[in-house]
Amino acid sequence: SQKIEQNSEALNIQEGKTATLTCNYTNYSPAYLQWYRQDPGRGPVFLLLIRENEKEKRKERLKVTFDTTLKQSLFHITASQPADSATYLCAPGGRDSSYKLIFGSGTRLLVRP
Amino acid sequence: SQTIHQWPATLVQPVGSPLSLECTVEGTSNPNLYWYRQAAGRGLQLLFYSVGIGQISSEVPQNLSASRPQDRQFILSSKKLLLSDSGFYLCAWSRQGAKQYFGPGTRLTVT
Repeated sequence: SQKIEQNSEALNIQEGKTATLTCNYTNYSPAYLQWYRQDPGRGPVFLLLIRENEKEKRKERLKVTFDTTLKQSLFHITASQPADSATYLCAPGGRDSSYKLIFGSGTRLLVRP
Repeated sequence: SQTIHQWPATLVQPVGSPLSLECTVEGTSNPNLYWYRQAAGRGLQLLFYSVGIGQISSEVPQNLSASRPQDRQFILSSKKLLLSDSGFYLCAWSRQGAKQYFGPGTRLTVT
């Protein structure tokens, strides 16, 4: 069955450093992969989408890479701030019109001031 | 602009009681609609999705059901709740852009 793996341990970094989160998938060939941010008690918020024919995507301080050979996506936040502290979820998506996603369990990021 | 509503925000129900959670979307037409459940400290589990009125696909067999009586209304139901049904229930919608927009969620506690 399809499996999405994200580091279950929290990532604790100093303000100003770059945070790198990993998402690995198996038994799956997604057409695209999305990253979401979730704050406690809230619904996830969409951040970035990267398609299978794209290697890298950037948005302000965020960067996502997508390696279909390694079956891995990396999510980077540069110049991290305490306000970036949240849980980040990766979600690969398929090729049909349902646009349904399979979510990873998320990685919690803590940015220390 | 588009908005998505869920209610109630919190719910405490005894085991064996029925459930009805409602989700409505404003500002868009013919959206894809999704119900997810998130257990404490866990990821999102897709329960149901719908690509049109009356069209429901179930992802996980369980004692829950979903209905879409109107284009922008999605309802999650159960005839008899189990303790394991406790969790954070999220509704989401999407269009052809594929990214999903989530509602505020319903925190369900089954006692």
